[in-house]
Amino acid sequence: DQQVKQNSPSLSVQEGRISILNCDYTNSMFDYFLWYKKYPAEGPTFLISISSIKDKNEDGRFTVFLNKSAKHLSLHIVPSQPGDSAVYFCAASGGYSTLTFGKGTMLLVSP
Amino acid sequence: NAGVTQTPKFRILKIGQSMTLQCTQDMNHNYMYWYRQDPGMGLKLIYYSVGAGITDKGEVPNGYNVSRSTTEDFPLRLELAAPSQTSVYFCASSYESLSYGYTFGSGTRLTVV
Repeated sequence: DQQVKQNSPSLSVQEGRISILNCDYTNSMFDYFLWYKKYPAEGPTFLISISSIKDKNEDGRFTVFLNKSAKHLSLHIVPSQPGDSAVYFCAASGGYSTLTFGKGTMLLVSP
Repeated sequence: NAGVTQTPKFRILKIGQSMTLQCTQDMNHNYMYWYRQDPGMGLKLIYYSVGAGITDKGEVPNGYNVSRSTTEDFPLRLELAAPSQTSVYFCASSYESLSYGYTFGSGTRLTVV
């Protein structure tokens, strides 16, 4: 039973355009959400997070939006760059420090 | 600043063998975690620790053991390796607050044959 779902295994975007990665969750107890980026043969790297008391958080080119009523969050990357090509994981926490991860979305940004 | 260091990076085990995956961090994080990632899947929590001497099971603890004798080290022990334990193992550490997320190691790719 997947509590964090990333329904798009892959996404292709042209350089300079917006990348939108989506994530849905089923557990109403989740109150903190994070996005990680992972390159091959490396560990995941923390990108950005958002608390359930907010609906938006920005950090440079990265913005995360949270829609609690829909149990949906999204990561926007603007503008997309070839170096952004990686697997992106959505993760959620329910009041503890442990995280539940989605399966990931592979983003390919072409020049 | 080394962050989280995992050794070895690769290992091939025979069925029934045992091994210890090492993990050490130099950020003075109290919280440490072991996750495994199977192909095409997300990371699943094996064990975690909120401080020296304190460990707890995650989602998939069967076949593994951990110990936390110091703040820095959090080794993962595999007893009687099975093919189902073929995976990439990631160790991570964090502060209690998730505002800064986890810091992950680079992973150990384990194959059981």
